[in-house]
Amino acid sequence: DAGVIQSPRHEVTEMGQEVTLRCKPISGHNSLFWYRQTMMRGLELLIYFNNNVPIDDSGMPEDRFSAKMPNASFSTLKIQPSEPRDSAVYFCASSPRVAGELFFGEGSRLTVL
Amino acid sequence: GEDVEQSLFLSVREGDSSVINCTYTDSSSTYLYWYKQEPGAGLQLLTYIFSNMDMKQDQRLTVLLNKKDKHLSLRIADTQTGDSAIYFCAELGVYNQGGKLIFGQGTELSVKP
Repeated sequence: DAGVIQSPRHEVTEMGQEVTLRCKPISGHNSLFWYRQTMMRGLELLIYFNNNVPIDDSGMPEDRFSAKMPNASFSTLKIQPSEPRDSAVYFCASSPRVAGELFFGEGSRLTVL
Repeated sequence: GEDVEQSLFLSVREGDSSVINCTYTDSSSTYLYWYKQEPGAGLQLLTYIFSNMDMKQDQRLTVLLNKKDKHLSLRIADTQTGDSAIYFCAELGVYNQGGKLIFGQGTELSVKP
């Protein structure tokens, strides 16, 4: 059974460019989470969805960040315009139920020059 | 607010036991989790404990919960070099049944042969 699939695995871009990260959750899971991991700030929850509906986006750093989940099998996290401080590993995770058991993708490492 | 604290590093010899400690502040926590992150990978759920339990054992893993002191520990018996990874403690508060886990900073476990 395929796990959570994220793309791209690595992205290097220049400041000001738009970045789109993609996630395919595990089939049948009804919750999806976007996390960001950096050395300085650790693991931060950006936003999560239940049944494709955004529930809590209080972790989204600023208006440059947006996330969508148009259907149960796909989500995107977009940064426009990107800045060097956005450099991090972005993880998508899905869960078969609401509480706590998360299945993580392998992450998208973003470098903004 | 909610906070989860862990020490950053632990070094042990192969065959010894490892004990990774975690403290949390949210007294309403319902579940507490241990996740493992290997280099270049996402987090993987190791085990979890419900807040009305004191201990849970799963093969080489033993989780101890002291709810009075808000202290959680993970003991790995007969530690192997393959156990080298970052271990994250996480808690789910009763007000976060929407699935918002609060993660600690992670403890990097180094196992020396």
